[in-house]
Amino acid sequence: DIQMTQSPSTLSASVGDRVTITCRASQSISSWLAWYQQKPGKAPKLLIYKASSLQGGVPSRFSGSGSGTQFTLTISSLQPDDFATYYCQHYNNYPYTFGQGTKLEIK
Amino acid sequence: EVQLVESGGGLVQPGGSLRLSCAASGFMFEGYELSWVRQAPGKGLEWVSHISSSGTILNYADSVKGRFTISRDNAKNSLYLQMNSLRAEDTAVYYCARKGGSNVFDYWGQGTLVTVSS
Repeated sequence: DIQMTQSPSTLSASVGDRVTITCRASQSISSWLAWYQQKPGKAPKLLIYKASSLQGGVPSRFSGSGSGTQFTLTISSLQPDDFATYYCQHYNNYPYTFGQGTKLEIK
Repeated sequence: EVQLVESGGGLVQPGGSLRLSCAASGFMFEGYELSWVRQAPGKGLEWVSHISSSGTILNYADSVKGRFTISRDNAKNSLYLQMNSLRAEDTAVYYCARKGGSNVFDYWGQGTLVTVSS
């Protein structure tokens, strides 16, 4: 099974900051990577698919990059609504696996 | 509007069974693959099972293989998860999720909580 490792586990930042979350796959997954945002008590929300494609309706301050085994999610200028937990997920083959999550906190 | 509504969660004793349902609306149900994804309290997301649009291709996480069965009824726009031999570690919120045209989970239900405890 492919393992997904995110870093950091927790990130403290301020409104307006630029932040980057990293996700590493245990083997190459080409660009078959998605990013989700989850707020407490809510279902995950798709942000990015195919490593860098922005899901419809998602603000352009979110961007994704990478291929193979190394990927990043960047938020260019943090807004109050962005404080949440973020998960990467590969969909190269089953079983799909998620990273352990990165909790983005207000500094 | 796409909607996925899970039901069937609750408290069950270890070794017991439960059947989850997911009612879909707002899209052509028979044209989409679906999955169950769970989240233990305070933990991350874990993919559980997948079913193809026709229901002929099934996939399971090793943690549930042989105990859980995924199925669907395209005539009723419904997805199911039959869970047998439940363990404490199966305690989680269970989400149904649609696999969209980009092959990722583009719509999720609100989740249903399953608690396995004596």
